[in-house]
Amino acid sequence: EVLLVQSGAAVRKSGESLKISCKASGDTSSKYWIAWVRQMPGKGLEWMGIISPDDSDRRYNPSFQGQVTISADRSINTAYLQWSSLKASDTATYYCARLTGWNDFDFWGQGTLVTVSS
Amino acid sequence: QSALTQPPSASGSRGQSVTISCTGTSSDVGYYDYVSWYQQHPGKAPKLIIYDVNERPSGVPDRFSGSKSGNTASLTVSGLQAEDEADYYCSSYAGDNNLRVFGTGTKVTVL
Repeated sequence: EVLLVQSGAAVRKSGESLKISCKASGDTSSKYWIAWVRQMPGKGLEWMGIISPDDSDRRYNPSFQGQVTISADRSINTAYLQWSSLKASDTATYYCARLTGWNDFDFWGQGTLVTVSS
Repeated sequence: QSALTQPPSASGSRGQSVTISCTGTSSDVGYYDYVSWYQQHPGKAPKLIIYDVNERPSGVPDRFSGSKSGNTASLTVSGLQAEDEADYYCSSYAGDNNLRVFGTGTKVTVL
């Protein structure tokens, strides 16, 4: 069974940096793209970006370009989402998800709640 | 890249059917047959229930079905059950730069 296990909840202040993780277990073959999705409190899902199986290709939703960085260390089956300078508006739950076909995210992490205080 | 448009809410009695629409543009929903639907219960991660417009992953009941016409995709839940009460999101491949987009979400209430 495939599992995506995300790092725990994080509390930071505005201006601080943060890197959250998403570790895959089970079918950890390196052929899958991994995406990150934001869900602000009480709001809908927003597609942030995606990273290729070999880490050579990263694509971002224009709304998030320059605001976050997606990376991965395939040797440990882990993808990352990081901020260099958090804002209060970054407060949200962030999900990682595995892309199987063109647009089917079949396995999701449990979510990481990021709380940023001003 | 704008979110796909869904009605905020939909409802139906147990055993009845409910259909949720998802309207995009000729650059996403209208162009690609890569529309997927996700079910999300409160406090839980989304779950894939439909992909490639009308395909169901293994384990998803056949009460869930999808379709598409022009720039609008639809999800129909037949034989509504209490556990179907959840938020539903559509998503489309948006081509250009390997992007995807989600819908605004629909809260389904089972009466």
